[in-house]
Amino acid sequence: AQSVTQLDSQVPVFEEAPVELRCNYSSSVSVYLFWYVQYPNQGLQLLLKYLSGSTLVKGINGFEAEFNKSQTSFHLRKPSVHISDTAEYFCAVSPHFSGTYKYIFGTGTRLKVLA
Amino acid sequence: DVKVTQSSRYLVKRTGEKVFLECVQDMDHENMFWYRQDPGLGLRLIYFSYDVKMKEKGDIPEGYSVSREKKERFSLILESASTNQTSMYLCASSLTSISGSHNEQFFGPGTRLTVL
Repeated sequence: AQSVTQLDSQVPVFEEAPVELRCNYSSSVSVYLFWYVQYPNQGLQLLLKYLSGSTLVKGINGFEAEFNKSQTSFHLRKPSVHISDTAEYFCAVSPHFSGTYKYIFGTGTRLKVLA
Repeated sequence: DVKVTQSSRYLVKRTGEKVFLECVQDMDHENMFWYRQDPGLGLRLIYFSYDVKMKEKGDIPEGYSVSREKKERFSLILESASTNQTSMYLCASSLTSISGSHNEQFFGPGTRLTVL
């Protein structure tokens, strides 16, 4: 079985400051990794994904994430945040070759960007 | 652009009512999913379907059923709504990957259901 932990339920940060949202996972098999963003009153939108290859993945809106297999982590980073980045961010994993394309989501991190 | 639409953004029902939540996707995706989203619990999978008339239980299927009669449409049914089913319901769809890697799930805007 797989599980995803997002330790920070809320992260306040000032505009133009850097941010890191943490994601750790547990799995006995290899996984694909995803970060989604949910703006207020909207569905989820894919930010980035790691399937294979380079462990540093770049996504939309200036976000990037680094896959660390030894630490089973996939932290999301942005060097300089904007007010418009205020949203909830979800980390998700999906086991390789599961045949069902199921995702396991973390509980989410609310990013609040302050002026 | 892939579009996933859900029949209602907000819905208020009474305890014991039968509730239908509809989801339609326009990109010929094989896989469709229903999640519920609750504060502090993230997204939990209720049911998913990988083909017409095919369905599998997710992590929290109790109190729910689903129907997929056409490829583009996936319905979630609450047979007898209860107050603990008050939640945000999200529908998603994805393509079956030829390469075997997992494709992105595309989400609808959600339906906020309140059961009184």
